[in-house]
Amino acid sequence: DAKTTQPPSMDCAEGRAANLPCNHSTISGNEYVYWYRQIHSQGPQYIIHGLKNNETNEMASLIITEDRKSSTLILPHATLRDTAVYYCIVRSLGNKLVFGAGTILRVKS
Amino acid sequence: EAGVTQSPTHLIKTRGQQATLRCSPISGHTSVYWYQQALGLGLQFLLWYDEGEERNRGNFPPRFSGRQFPNYSSELNVNALELEDSALYLCASSLGRKYTFGSGTRLTVV
Repeated sequence: DAKTTQPPSMDCAEGRAANLPCNHSTISGNEYVYWYRQIHSQGPQYIIHGLKNNETNEMASLIITEDRKSSTLILPHATLRDTAVYYCIVRSLGNKLVFGAGTILRVKS
Repeated sequence: EAGVTQSPTHLIKTRGQQATLRCSPISGHTSVYWYQQALGLGLQFLLWYDEGEERNRGNFPPRFSGRQFPNYSSELNVNALELEDSALYLCASSLGRKYTFGSGTRLTVV
């Protein structure tokens, strides 16, 4: 299973962009990168996923480097409700999502 | 559309008993995944079911088992409960590449 490395925590000012980095240097060519977040022991919430190209949806943007060894999740205008644990995941063989420790994002007013 | 539903929300069992947790996937989703999240720890993959068959299993003892029914709903059974089985058990379903999680069952073993 490809491993991901994320900073344990980050702070962001309300209204500013939150940029969450993820390293996945052992990713293989056909493995997707997923981002989920979890707010206080609720079920993880899907944010976005991608393979090679940058992706954008109503929640966030995903920037994947050309060599695919790292990616950045961008929340364009963070709000207090975006405070959560953010997980960067590489979907491994067997369709399972392997969760790491994640990044605790604290959005402060 | 209705999301992934799990029942019960909370469950309290005594050590040595059996627990049964249930999951209803999103309509049309054929794959169901089970995860365990112990307090303060990350999500650990337990089981993947697709089209009624167990497709993949995480590093858990055999007393963790489950099944998927013809309507794609799923049960997770935990036998001979131990105190360390106390955790939030999460179910997810997928169709294609998007995985949707339920709110979980909080199992407490006393």
